[in-house]
Amino acid sequence: GAVVSQHPSWVICKSGTSVKIECRSLDFQATTMFWYRQFPKQSLMLMATSNEGSKATYEQGVEKDKFLINHASLTLSTLTVTSAHPEDSSFYICSARYGALPSYEQYFGPGTRLTVT
Amino acid sequence: AQSVTQLGSHVSVSEGALVLLRCNYSSSVPPYLFWYVQYPNQGLQLLLKYTSAATLVKGINGFEAEFKKSETSFHLTKPSAHMSDAAEYFCAVSGNTGKLIFGQGTTLQVKP
Repeated sequence: GAVVSQHPSWVICKSGTSVKIECRSLDFQATTMFWYRQFPKQSLMLMATSNEGSKATYEQGVEKDKFLINHASLTLSTLTVTSAHPEDSSFYICSARYGALPSYEQYFGPGTRLTVT
Repeated sequence: AQSVTQLGSHVSVSEGALVLLRCNYSSSVPPYLFWYVQYPNQGLQLLLKYTSAATLVKGINGFEAEFKKSETSFHLTKPSAHMSDAAEYFCAVSGNTGKLIFGQGTTLQVKP
C-alpha cells in the first residue's frame, strides 16, 4: 500500500526557535496533502490543506504566519512552526491524498511529536 | 456543514466478544464515511470506507460497518474482539471538498 513518511518522528526545541517537519509520499504523487494537530487523548484537528504549487488553505483559527506550509513537489510538503512556544507542543500528523474525488484514498503519516521547552 | 459524533469515548469488551463502536454523522451533501484506527504514537490506518456503493462495507482485520441513511449512522462492528484490536478508533466524514472531519474518537479496551 501507499506509504507516507514524516521526519522527524519527534523533536524537542527551545521556546522561540523554529521547527520544520517534512511529510513525504514515498510511492505515489500527492497533489493534495493535509496537516493535522492532535492533543493527547483528543481527535485530529485539520490545520491546513496543501496543494502542490499553490498556497496552503488554512482552517479558521490557525495562524498562517506561525504555521508555514510549503508544498514544493508532488511528494513533499513541509510544516514549519515558527517562534515555537510551549503551547505549540503537540502531535502533528500529515496525510496525502491519492486519486480524485470521490474515489480517493487518504494516507496518513506516522506523526511528529513536538515538545517545546 | 458536516460533523461526526462518536457515542462512547471508551468501550471495553472481553476477548472474543462482539465489538460495536457507534458513529452518527451529519452532512448536507451525500457523505463519504470512514473508520480509522490509531495505535499509540502512530498515525491513522484506514479500516474501511463508504463511498455510496454497497451499504455494508467490509474492511481490514475483520471489521465491517453499515451505512444507514435513515438513522444517519455508520457503526463499526467486529464479531470477535482480539487483544490486538485495542486502540483508538476514529469515525470521519467527508463531502465534496475531500476534507475529513473526525469524531472525537473511541478508545477500545479488550480484556483477556
